[in-house]
Amino acid sequence: RKEVEQDPGPFNVPEGATVAFNCTYSNSASQSFFWYRQDCRKEPKLLMSVYSSGNEDGRFTAQLNRASQYISLLIRDSKLSDSATYLCVVNLPTSGTYKYIFGTGTRLKVLA
Amino acid sequence: NAGVTQTPKFRILKIGQSMTLQCAQDMNHNYMYWYRQDPGMGLKLIYYSVGAGITDKGEVPNGYNVSRSTTEDFPLRLELAAPSQTSVYFCASSSPGLAGREQFFGPGTRLTVL
Repeated sequence: RKEVEQDPGPFNVPEGATVAFNCTYSNSASQSFFWYRQDCRKEPKLLMSVYSSGNEDGRFTAQLNRASQYISLLIRDSKLSDSATYLCVVNLPTSGTYKYIFGTGTRLKVLA
Repeated sequence: NAGVTQTPKFRILKIGQSMTLQCAQDMNHNYMYWYRQDPGMGLKLIYYSVGAGITDKGEVPNGYNVSRSTTEDFPLRLELAAPSQTSVYFCASSSPGLAGREQFFGPGTRLTVL
């Protein structure tokens, strides 16, 4: 089983749609969780951290379910500019430091 | 702040050649990382460093070496390049302390080995 699993997509949605991405992680010792956005041929950039109580940033809502080892990202009112790959990232303590484990990403294409 | 910078942006190597990928950060971050990203794949950790003079292997270190003589710089050395090392290489940095720390990435180096 992969340490972090995501549906690769692509998700093709019309502008204005609501879309949800899911991510599961295998190690229950994982401590921190993030969603990164990666545009084509660019570096990943932090979209938002994911907190146990769930958190929202504008049109984006992230949820964490530690019992099920599951993270989600909801995008409301999709914009053309939301088209990108969304990476689920888990931070795991290891050997006195922390290791960031990346999912392979979910591709989103928002259509006009 | 320039953040994390990487040079070169692109490079083509012949099999067996060597090169150094440069990475620098001006955020005074202790932690630095090198990743590779193959098409359709997640980022794989090559090496990381928790401070000047301290480096350790990640999950795919074979064929690479690193050094960390200063807080700012974390070069990645490829010895005897092979086609399997064709990839996009990202350097990243973060500050230590709490686990929930954002990683900042450089723009990447696209390497092709022919």
